[in-house]
Amino acid sequence: DIQMTQSPSSLSASVGDRVTITCRASQSINNYLNWYQQKPGKAPKLLIYAASNLQSGVPSRFSGSGSGTDFTLTISSLQPEDFATYYCQQSYSSPHTFGQGTKLEIK
Amino acid sequence: QVQLQESGPGLVKPSETLSVTCTVSGDSISSYYWNWIRQPAGKGLEWIGRMYTSGSTNYNPSLKSRVTMSGDTSKNQLFLKLSSVTAADTAVYYCARAPEWSGAWFDPWGQGTLVTVSS
Repeated sequence: DIQMTQSPSSLSASVGDRVTITCRASQSINNYLNWYQQKPGKAPKLLIYAASNLQSGVPSRFSGSGSGTDFTLTISSLQPEDFATYYCQQSYSSPHTFGQGTKLEIK
Repeated sequence: QVQLQESGPGLVKPSETLSVTCTVSGDSISSYYWNWIRQPAGKGLEWIGRMYTSGSTNYNPSLKSRVTMSGDTSKNQLFLKLSSVTAADTAVYYCARAPEWSGAWFDPWGQGTLVTVSS
């Protein structure tokens, strides 16, 4: 199985901050990397697919980059509704695996 | 707009079979690929497997011996069965759509259904 490791596991930030979350794969996954946002008691929501493509309806302050084994999710200017847990997921090979999550909290 | 809604028993006894249904509205289940994902309380996401209504399935090896996925195109429903459950199978179970069989992403997701394994 391909292991996905996110860093940091938790992060405190303020409204307006620029935030970057990193996801590393245990082997190359080309650009088969997706990002999700999950709020408490809710299902995950797709933000970015294929490493850098913004899902329709997702604010442009979210962006993704990377290929191979190293990927990043960037939020350019944090808004109050962005405080949530973020997961990366690889779809390069089965079983599809997720990172352990990054909890973004208000400072 | 496609919507997914999971439903399940809520409580299942150890060693029994867990059954969850995903009802899809706004699109035909024959048109896409369907995934099941679960999440224990306070923990991360685990991919259970995927299916296509042609009969193709692909299960996570960690669960493969206990999982069966199927669908009913006439009712536009998907079914997940997990046999010989233990407390470790207690989780919120989600269904999610994928646009392709390989290299795809999950969107949208259902709201999830909590299944607790306990005697």
